[in-house]
Amino acid sequence: EAGVAQSPRYKIIEKRQSVAFWCNPISGHATLYWYQQILGQGPKLLIQFQNNGVVDDSQLPKDRFSAERLKGVDSTLKIQPAKLEDSAVYLCASSPTRNTEAFFGQGTRLTVV
Amino acid sequence: AQSVTQLGSHVSVSEGALVLLRCNYSSSVPPYLFWYVQYPNQGLQLLLKYTTGATLVKGINGFEAEFKKSETSFHLTKPSAHMSDAAEYFCAVTGGIGTDKLIFGTGTRLQVFP
Repeated sequence: EAGVAQSPRYKIIEKRQSVAFWCNPISGHATLYWYQQILGQGPKLLIQFQNNGVVDDSQLPKDRFSAERLKGVDSTLKIQPAKLEDSAVYLCASSPTRNTEAFFGQGTRLTVV
Repeated sequence: AQSVTQLGSHVSVSEGALVLLRCNYSSSVPPYLFWYVQYPNQGLQLLLKYTTGATLVKGINGFEAEFKKSETSFHLTKPSAHMSDAAEYFCAVTGGIGTDKLIFGTGTRLQVFP
């Protein structure tokens, strides 16, 4: 079974630029999560989708971050414009449904300079 | 609200020695508790989880954890460390039934010396 796929693996951008990350969850998984992991900290949930609907986006900085999950499969996370403090690893995870084990992708490491 | 505290950002053990990684949680409802492992430049992999039932939970790679409600703890142990266990370990909690938002601790980096 293929795991959660994320791209790109690494991205370096200048502050105020825009960036987008892509996630392809495990086939058939209804729940999709985006986490932000800042160096030295545990992952923090940014947004959770159930199919193509948003379950929780309470910690998503909506003035600069946006995410969508069209058709309830792939998802993209966008930052516009980026700030230095956005430097982090962005992890995508999926689970068959809510309250079941979440499977994580390898993450995208973003460096904002 | 739920929170997790992991005592010790770094733990070093010799190969073959006992591994003990500490996790204390705070939850206003019966918690679901998890331990994840993260190898360099990799995502998180579930080691084990506690939802309900038996308080001693066995996971992959010889790890186990015991849920102690009276101590609000969920410490991770392994009787004999292996070099391949060197990684970052994260304890996480959810609010139980009705919410599946994972709240992670800050992590503990395990080093294993030969």
